[in-house]
Amino acid sequence: SQTIHQWPATLVQPVGSPLSLECTVEGTSNPNLYWYRQAAGRGLQLLFYSVGIGQISSEVPQNLSASRPQDRQFILSSKKLLLSDSGFYLCAWGVGASGRGETQYFGPGTRLLVL
Amino acid sequence: SQELEQSPQSLIVQEGKNLTINCTSSKTLYGLYWYKQKYGEGLIFLMMLQKGGEEKSHEKITAKLDEKKQQSSLHITASQPSHAGIYLCGADDGNKLVFGAGTILRVKS
Repeated sequence: SQTIHQWPATLVQPVGSPLSLECTVEGTSNPNLYWYRQAAGRGLQLLFYSVGIGQISSEVPQNLSASRPQDRQFILSSKKLLLSDSGFYLCAWGVGASGRGETQYFGPGTRLLVL
Repeated sequence: SQELEQSPQSLIVQEGKNLTINCTSSKTLYGLYWYKQKYGEGLIFLMMLQKGGEEKSHEKITAKLDEKKQQSSLHITASQPSHAGIYLCGADDGNKLVFGAGTILRVKS
C-alpha cells in the first residue's frame, strides 16, 4: 500500500533562517506531488506541484521554492524565512491527471513557526 | 477560478444527532472531494463524487452531489465523538484542486 511521509513534524525557526521540508512517498511510481500551506483560519493554498522529476510548477510567487530530485521525493525550501511563512505545510500525492478526477492523498503535515 | 463556500463554518452537535455540511461552488463541479482533518494532522480522503445526483456512503457518512453539480452535501447519521474534526470539500479546477475553508465539527458526549 502507499504511504506518504513528511518531516520534521514540527519546526521553530528564526526569521531569516533557511528552510528545508521533505516529503517522500512509498508504494507508487511517478506520482504527482503537491505542496500546500494551511494558515490558521484559512483554507488550503496550493504552493507547488510536480508531475515528474525536475518538473516544478509554482502556483503562488513567494519566498519559497520546491525541488523534486527523485521520483518519490519532494522538497520545500526557503533561503530566508519570513514571519508570514508560518503555517501548516502539507504534502500530497496523486496518480492521474491533476484536476481531472485525480484523488490526492495527504501526508501528516509539518507545523512551521517562524519567530 | 472556482470558489467553494462551506456552511456552516462550525457546529456543535450532541452525540447521536444527525448533521449536514454543505459545499457550494461558483461553477459546475466536475469532481468533488470530501476530506476530514483532525487538528494538527493531515487530510483523510473520504469520498469523491463526479456525476450529477451521485450519492456515496462510508459507514455513517453520506455525500451527495446535486443534479446541477453546483452543490454537495455531507450528512452524518448518529454522530459520534470520532466524527469530530474539520471537514473540507475540494473540487477539480483546471489542473488543480481548490478547497473550501472547512467546517469545524464538535460532538458533545
